[in-house]
Amino acid sequence: NAGVTQTPKFRVLKTGQSMTLLCAQDMNHEYMYWYRQDPGMGLRLIHYSVGEGTTAKGEVPDGYNVSRLKKQNFLLGLESAAPSQTSVYFCASSYSGPGAVAEAFFGQGTRLTVV
Amino acid sequence: AQKVTQAQTEISVVEKEDVTLDCVYETRDTTYYLFWYKQPPSGELVFLIRRNSFDEQNEISGRYSWNFQKSTSSFNFTITASQVVDSAVYFCALGSARQLTFGSGTQLTVLP
Repeated sequence: NAGVTQTPKFRVLKTGQSMTLLCAQDMNHEYMYWYRQDPGMGLRLIHYSVGEGTTAKGEVPDGYNVSRLKKQNFLLGLESAAPSQTSVYFCASSYSGPGAVAEAFFGQGTRLTVV
Repeated sequence: AQKVTQAQTEISVVEKEDVTLDCVYETRDTTYYLFWYKQPPSGELVFLIRRNSFDEQNEISGRYSWNFQKSTSSFNFTITASQVVDSAVYFCALGSARQLTFGSGTQLTVLP
Protein backbone atom coordinates (compact mmCIF):
# COMPACT_ATOMS: atom_id res chain seq x y z
CA ASN A 1 0.00 0.00 0.00
CA ALA A 2 1.15 3.50 -0.80
CA GLY A 3 -0.42 5.02 2.33
CA VAL A 4 -0.39 8.80 2.08
CA THR A 5 1.20 10.34 -0.98
CA GLN A 6 1.95 14.02 -1.44
CA THR A 7 2.85 15.80 -4.65
CA PRO A 8 5.03 17.64 -5.34
CA LYS A 9 7.87 16.94 -2.93
CA PHE A 10 9.68 20.20 -3.58
CA ARG A 11 8.58 23.53 -5.03
CA VAL A 12 9.90 27.05 -5.30
CA LEU A 13 7.37 29.83 -5.84
CA LYS A 14 7.68 33.52 -6.40
CA THR A 15 5.73 35.83 -4.14
CA GLY A 16 2.19 36.19 -5.43
CA GLN A 17 2.13 32.96 -7.39
CA SER A 18 -0.45 30.30 -6.70
CA MET A 19 -0.15 26.55 -6.39
CA THR A 20 -1.98 23.46 -5.23
CA LEU A 21 -0.56 20.64 -3.14
CA LEU A 22 -2.18 17.27 -3.65
CA CYS A 23 -2.60 14.62 -1.00
CA ALA A 24 -3.89 11.14 -1.78
CA GLN A 25 -4.55 8.28 0.63
CA ASP A 26 -5.49 4.71 -0.16
CA MET A 27 -6.55 3.59 3.32
CA ASN A 28 -10.20 4.66 3.03
CA HIS A 29 -9.74 7.07 5.91
CA GLU A 30 -12.49 9.56 6.62
CA TYR A 31 -10.27 12.20 8.17
CA MET A 32 -7.54 14.12 6.41
CA TYR A 33 -5.34 16.98 7.56
CA TRP A 34 -2.82 19.52 6.35
CA TYR A 35 -0.05 20.61 8.70
CA ARG A 36 2.88 22.92 8.30
CA GLN A 37 6.18 22.37 10.07
CA ASP A 38 8.42 25.29 10.92
CA PRO A 39 11.67 25.20 12.90
CA GLY A 40 11.08 25.18 16.64
CA MET A 41 7.30 25.16 16.27
CA GLY A 42 6.40 21.55 15.71
CA LEU A 43 3.50 20.83 13.41
CA ARG A 44 0.57 23.20 13.22
CA LEU A 45 -2.78 22.29 11.76
CA ILE A 46 -3.85 24.36 8.77
CA HIS A 47 -7.14 22.75 7.72
CA TYR A 48 -8.75 19.40 8.10
CA SER A 49 -11.61 17.38 6.68
CA VAL A 50 -13.89 14.93 8.43
CA GLY A 51 -15.26 13.47 5.24
CA GLU A 52 -15.83 13.96 1.53
CA GLY A 53 -17.17 17.41 0.80
CA THR A 54 -16.40 18.84 4.25
CA THR A 55 -13.53 21.00 5.46
CA ALA A 56 -12.74 22.97 8.60
CA LYS A 57 -10.16 25.46 9.76
CA GLY A 58 -7.29 24.49 11.98
CA GLU A 59 -4.86 26.57 13.97
CA VAL A 60 -3.27 28.54 11.10
CA PRO A 61 -5.72 28.67 8.16
CA ASP A 62 -5.05 32.16 6.82
CA GLY A 63 -3.71 32.28 3.29
CA TYR A 64 -4.75 28.70 2.49
CA ASN A 65 -7.79 27.02 1.02
CA VAL A 66 -8.65 23.34 0.82
CA SER A 67 -11.03 21.04 -0.97
CA ARG A 68 -12.09 17.43 -0.48
CA LEU A 69 -14.07 16.53 -3.58
CA LYS A 70 -13.15 12.87 -3.34
CA LYS A 71 -12.67 10.86 -0.18
CA GLN A 72 -9.17 9.85 -1.08
CA ASN A 73 -7.89 13.31 -2.03
CA PHE A 74 -7.31 16.47 -0.03
CA LEU A 75 -6.01 19.53 -1.83
CA LEU A 76 -4.26 22.50 -0.25
CA GLY A 77 -4.20 25.73 -2.23
CA LEU A 78 -2.14 28.87 -1.89
CA GLU A 79 -3.81 31.64 -3.87
CA SER A 80 -1.08 34.27 -3.49
CA ALA A 81 2.06 32.85 -1.95
CA ALA A 82 4.01 34.86 0.62
CA PRO A 83 7.50 34.29 2.03
CA SER A 84 5.88 33.52 5.40
CA GLN A 85 4.43 30.40 3.79
CA THR A 86 7.87 28.93 3.27
CA SER A 87 7.60 25.70 5.22
CA VAL A 88 7.40 21.95 5.04
CA TYR A 89 3.82 20.81 4.51
CA PHE A 90 2.56 17.46 5.70
CA CYS A 91 -0.66 15.76 4.83
CA ALA A 92 -2.07 13.12 7.14
CA SER A 93 -5.07 10.85 7.37
CA SER A 94 -6.73 8.81 10.08
CA TYR A 95 -9.82 6.67 10.39
CA SER A 96 -11.21 8.61 13.33
CA GLY A 97 -11.32 12.07 14.81
CA PRO A 98 -9.28 15.21 14.40
CA GLY A 99 -8.22 14.41 17.92
CA ALA A 100 -6.92 11.19 16.51
CA VAL A 101 -8.28 8.38 18.60
CA ALA A 102 -6.35 6.45 16.05
CA GLU A 103 -2.93 7.47 14.94
CA ALA A 104 -2.53 9.72 11.95
CA PHE A 105 -0.54 8.47 8.98
CA PHE A 106 1.63 11.09 7.37
CA GLY A 107 2.85 11.72 3.88
CA GLN A 108 6.50 12.39 3.17
CA GLY A 109 6.13 16.14 3.15
CA THR A 110 6.40 18.94 0.62
CA ARG A 111 9.18 21.46 1.01
CA LEU A 112 7.90 24.80 -0.26
CA THR A 113 10.05 27.88 -0.63
CA VAL A 114 8.53 31.24 -1.49
CA VAL A 115 11.02 33.81 -2.73
CA ALA B 1 -6.92 25.25 24.60
CA GLN B 2 -4.53 22.38 24.76
CA LYS B 3 -0.77 22.55 24.77
CA VAL B 4 2.22 20.25 24.55
CA THR B 5 5.60 21.28 25.86
CA GLN B 6 8.86 19.59 24.97
CA ALA B 7 11.34 21.66 26.91
CA GLN B 8 14.40 19.85 25.56
CA THR B 9 15.16 21.38 22.18
CA GLU B 10 18.28 19.31 21.53
CA ILE B 11 19.87 16.35 23.28
CA SER B 12 23.17 14.73 22.43
CA VAL B 13 24.28 11.39 23.84
CA VAL B 14 26.94 8.84 23.11
CA GLU B 15 25.88 5.51 21.71
CA LYS B 16 24.70 2.98 24.32
CA GLU B 17 23.67 5.67 26.77
CA ASP B 18 20.07 5.81 27.95
CA VAL B 19 18.15 8.98 27.17
CA THR B 20 14.76 10.30 28.28
CA LEU B 21 12.72 12.76 26.27
CA ASP B 22 10.29 14.81 28.30
CA CYS B 23 6.74 15.73 27.34
CA VAL B 24 4.31 17.78 29.44
CA TYR B 25 0.79 18.46 28.29
CA GLU B 26 -2.17 20.64 29.20
CA THR B 27 -5.78 19.88 28.45
CA ARG B 28 -9.21 20.35 29.99
CA ASP B 29 -10.55 17.21 28.40
CA THR B 30 -10.98 14.12 30.53
CA THR B 31 -10.62 11.83 27.55
CA TYR B 32 -7.56 12.34 25.43
CA TYR B 33 -4.77 10.49 23.70
CA LEU B 34 -1.04 10.93 23.76
CA PHE B 35 1.33 10.07 20.94
CA TRP B 36 4.98 9.98 20.11
CA TYR B 37 6.23 10.34 16.56
CA LYS B 38 9.75 10.04 15.20
CA GLN B 39 11.04 12.17 12.34
CA PRO B 40 14.35 10.80 11.02
CA PRO B 41 16.64 12.90 8.81
CA SER B 42 14.75 11.64 5.76
CA GLY B 43 11.82 13.78 6.93
CA GLU B 44 8.87 11.41 7.21
CA LEU B 45 6.87 11.12 10.43
CA VAL B 46 6.79 7.67 11.96
CA PHE B 47 4.18 6.75 14.54
CA LEU B 48 5.67 5.17 17.69
CA ILE B 49 2.96 4.89 20.33
CA ARG B 50 -0.55 5.94 21.37
CA ARG B 51 -1.90 5.94 24.93
CA ASN B 52 -5.32 6.97 26.15
CA SER B 53 -5.93 9.03 29.26
CA PHE B 54 -7.40 6.10 31.19
CA ASP B 55 -4.42 3.83 30.81
CA GLU B 56 -1.47 4.85 32.95
CA GLN B 57 0.41 1.63 32.59
CA ASN B 58 3.95 2.09 31.42
CA GLU B 59 4.79 0.45 28.15
CA ILE B 60 7.97 -1.13 26.86
CA SER B 61 8.71 -2.01 23.29
CA GLY B 62 12.22 -3.28 22.78
CA ARG B 63 14.60 -0.45 23.68
CA TYR B 64 11.73 2.03 23.92
CA SER B 65 9.66 2.69 27.01
CA TRP B 66 7.06 5.24 27.92
CA ASN B 67 6.12 6.61 31.33
CA PHE B 68 2.67 8.17 31.52
CA GLN B 69 1.92 10.06 34.73
CA LYS B 70 -1.42 11.78 34.85
CA SER B 71 -0.63 13.44 38.17
CA THR B 72 2.15 15.45 36.57
CA SER B 73 0.61 15.59 33.06
CA SER B 74 3.69 13.99 31.60
CA PHE B 75 4.32 11.34 28.98
CA ASN B 76 8.05 10.76 28.87
CA PHE B 77 9.90 8.57 26.40
CA THR B 78 13.07 6.64 27.22
CA ILE B 79 15.44 5.00 24.79
CA THR B 80 17.67 2.41 26.41
CA ALA B 81 21.11 1.69 24.98
CA SER B 82 20.74 4.33 22.30
CA GLN B 83 21.99 3.73 18.77
CA VAL B 84 23.10 6.07 16.01
CA VAL B 85 19.93 5.16 14.08
CA ASP B 86 17.88 6.68 16.90
CA SER B 87 19.07 10.13 15.82
CA ALA B 88 15.95 12.01 14.85
CA VAL B 89 13.48 14.64 15.93
CA TYR B 90 10.89 13.23 18.30
CA PHE B 91 7.46 14.78 18.64
CA CYS B 92 5.00 14.33 21.43
CA ALA B 93 1.37 15.00 20.53
CA LEU B 94 -1.95 15.33 22.35
CA GLY B 95 -5.21 14.31 20.73
CA SER B 96 -8.66 15.25 21.95
CA ALA B 97 -12.08 15.25 20.37
CA ARG B 98 -11.34 18.10 18.04
CA GLN B 99 -7.64 18.42 17.45
CA LEU B 100 -4.21 16.86 17.49
CA THR B 101 -1.62 19.22 18.96
CA PHE B 102 2.10 18.67 18.57
CA GLY B 103 4.98 19.77 20.74
CA SER B 104 7.87 21.61 19.17
CA GLY B 105 10.01 18.47 19.07
CA THR B 106 13.30 17.31 20.55
CA GLN B 107 16.29 16.80 18.28
CA LEU B 108 18.15 13.72 19.50
CA THR B 109 21.67 13.13 18.25
CA VAL B 110 23.36 9.85 19.11
CA LEU B 111 27.10 9.99 18.60
CA PRO B 112 29.09 6.87 17.73
